[in-house]
Amino acid sequence: AQSVAQPEDQVNVAEGNPLTVKCTYSVSGNPYLFWYVQYPNRGLQFLLKYITGDNLVKGSYGFEAEFNKSQTSFHLKKPSALVSDSALYFCAARAANNAGNMLTFGGGTRLMVKP
Amino acid sequence: DTGVSQNPRHKITKRGQNVTFRCDPISEHNRLYWYRQTLGQGPEFLTYFQNEAQLEKSRLLSDRFSAERPKGSFSTLEIQRTEQGDSAMYLCASSLLATSANTDTQYFGPGTRLTVL
Repeated sequence: AQSVAQPEDQVNVAEGNPLTVKCTYSVSGNPYLFWYVQYPNRGLQFLLKYITGDNLVKGSYGFEAEFNKSQTSFHLKKPSALVSDSALYFCAARAANNAGNMLTFGGGTRLMVKP
Repeated sequence: DTGVSQNPRHKITKRGQNVTFRCDPISEHNRLYWYRQTLGQGPEFLTYFQNEAQLEKSRLLSDRFSAERPKGSFSTLEIQRTEQGDSAMYLCASSLLATSANTDTQYFGPGTRLTVL
């Protein structure tokens, strides 16, 4: 069975400071990992994904994520937070050999960036 | 790319009524997914189609839930005899399976918020 954990319900950061949103996963075999962001009354927007290769993945809006196989983690990072980054962030995972492409999501982390 | 669209955006119904939601995927996408998101939780997979074939439906929450994609384009999700516990956001996503690598990315619509009174 697949599972994704986001240990922090909320992360608070000051504008201009670096941010990290944590994610750990459990899948059978090699993982495909994703980050999505959700703004109020809107669907999930894709930010980035890890499939294979470089452990540091760069995505939209200056976000990046680091895949760590030994720690089964895929933390989302940004060097300098913006107030407009305030939103709900979801980590998702699936096994590479899951033909159905069914994503398992974490419970979400609310990011609050204060001016 | 006009994105994934869903209709209606909001639906309020009385317990026991049937409801149907529609999803129009990104035009060239051959895979379509339905998820349910309850308040404070991440999306939960329900079912998916590849073209018109429903390849996974064991995660549908009960036999009151059904989905169709008759021509491999838009899809509908129907809930019969709604219950208050069905109140949630229903999300649709689509992707393009273009290679055997199976690494397609799912793009989500804005969702349909269902409230069952």
